[in-house]
Amino acid sequence: GIQVEQSPPDLILQEGANSTLRCNFSDSVNNLQWFHQNPWGQLINLFYIPSGTKQNGRLSATTVATERYSLLYISSSQTTDSGVYFCAHNFGNEKLTFGTGTRLTIIP
Amino acid sequence: EPEVTQTPSHQVTQMGQEVILRCVPISNHLYFYWYRQILGQKVEFLVSFYNNEISEKSEIFDDQFSVERPDGSNFTLKIRSTKLEDSAMYFCASSVQGANYGYTFGSGTRLTVV
Repeated sequence: GIQVEQSPPDLILQEGANSTLRCNFSDSVNNLQWFHQNPWGQLINLFYIPSGTKQNGRLSATTVATERYSLLYISSSQTTDSGVYFCAHNFGNEKLTFGTGTRLTIIP
Repeated sequence: EPEVTQTPSHQVTQMGQEVILRCVPISNHLYFYWYRQILGQKVEFLVSFYNNEISEKSEIFDDQFSVERPDGSNFTLKIRSTKLEDSAMYFCASSVQGANYGYTFGSGTRLTVV
């Protein structure tokens, strides 16, 4: 099956810093979503972004499907941004495959 | 913004007991899913449900598991005889027209089997 790798696995930043999280695929994908899992375990939808660029406040995402990667940008980080960020894709079926995640810790 | 609602948020059960996890998907969504996440691990697909039947299931979804849409609003996951290794966060998700339109996830039910 298609492998989904995320980098870096862990990231520790000072509040106010910017960050870029990466998601690589082993093959072309049809659909891509980014999620934030907060420290309470809740899974929050961030972006549905099969291609192109989207922005929502301090967050933006870009997917280049032909080059098999997606990027999540977080600007002016806040402590509430802490948690694990997952990318996930599906390819030709209803099953969503999650990446390994990036654990982001924002220090005040 | 419409939400997927899951209840309870946390359930503790004894090994061997049956549990039912409940979900209310977004009202105009047609596709429904269950996922689980064992502590510290990836989120894993369990089952997808469309038109009142299972459309796809993973190898995890064995005979101990079943899903049901008992009425027009609820979607349930039943585990018949829980095992310690069933302890996990269980997420319900729904989609308006399937995978190509993105998924909305609920907040999850943390199941602890003791």
